[in-house]
Amino acid sequence: GAGVSQTPSNKVTEKGKYVELRCDPISGHTALYWYRQSLGQGPEFLIYFQGTGAADDSGLPNDRFFAVRPEGSVSTLKIQRTERGDSAVYLCASTPDRGLNTGELFFGEGSRLTVL
Amino acid sequence: GENVEQHPSTLSVQEGDSAVIKCTYSDSASNYFPWYKQELGKRPQLIIDIRSNVGEKKDQRIAVTLNKTAKHFSLHITETQPEDSAVYFCAVRGFGNEKLTFGTGTRLTIIP
Repeated sequence: GAGVSQTPSNKVTEKGKYVELRCDPISGHTALYWYRQSLGQGPEFLIYFQGTGAADDSGLPNDRFFAVRPEGSVSTLKIQRTERGDSAVYLCASTPDRGLNTGELFFGEGSRLTVL
Repeated sequence: GENVEQHPSTLSVQEGDSAVIKCTYSDSASNYFPWYKQELGKRPQLIIDIRSNVGEKKDQRIAVTLNKTAKHFSLHITETQPEDSAVYFCAVRGFGNEKLTFGTGTRLTIIP
């Protein structure tokens, strides 16, 4: 596609439920990032994939959060036993192969998660 | 880890005047400093960036300056226009690191 696509755009769930958020990066981009943006804050790094592997998952807040990218393209962020504090906009971004990488992150529109 | 502070948190400027936003960072090995613009309900988009081997970079009405010794960098917008109203985020990438650490944002309002 033309840009990074994220689904769903909005998700409302109840405390304790399981949630999956999907990211479809720009075709050919090898690097994929997940960020979390709370109201009035800057994006907070969660995890970075280079190809299929998680190269840096130091930003995942706890073991309720997990992300996969099995074929090196689409990624899914999974949140177990959701808590009200997980409410935020979850942003996905991608960048091209390192040799072509200017450093720019191409963001999706985000998935707004609300935990009631 | 990297610590990025951004000031001011809000800024109102008369149309046509200049706006300056400043960020400081903690890791002296950081080597890449982008600025992103985020309009309400939209995705962050890169507007300008600078690398550590350069002191200043300009693109039309936008410029970024970097002071590596003091570990701060600034965004300068001249001849501001209503469409410049948005939230601006600075970010920093450390040496050998692939992730960006973002500042807390500055809400810029251009007063017609």
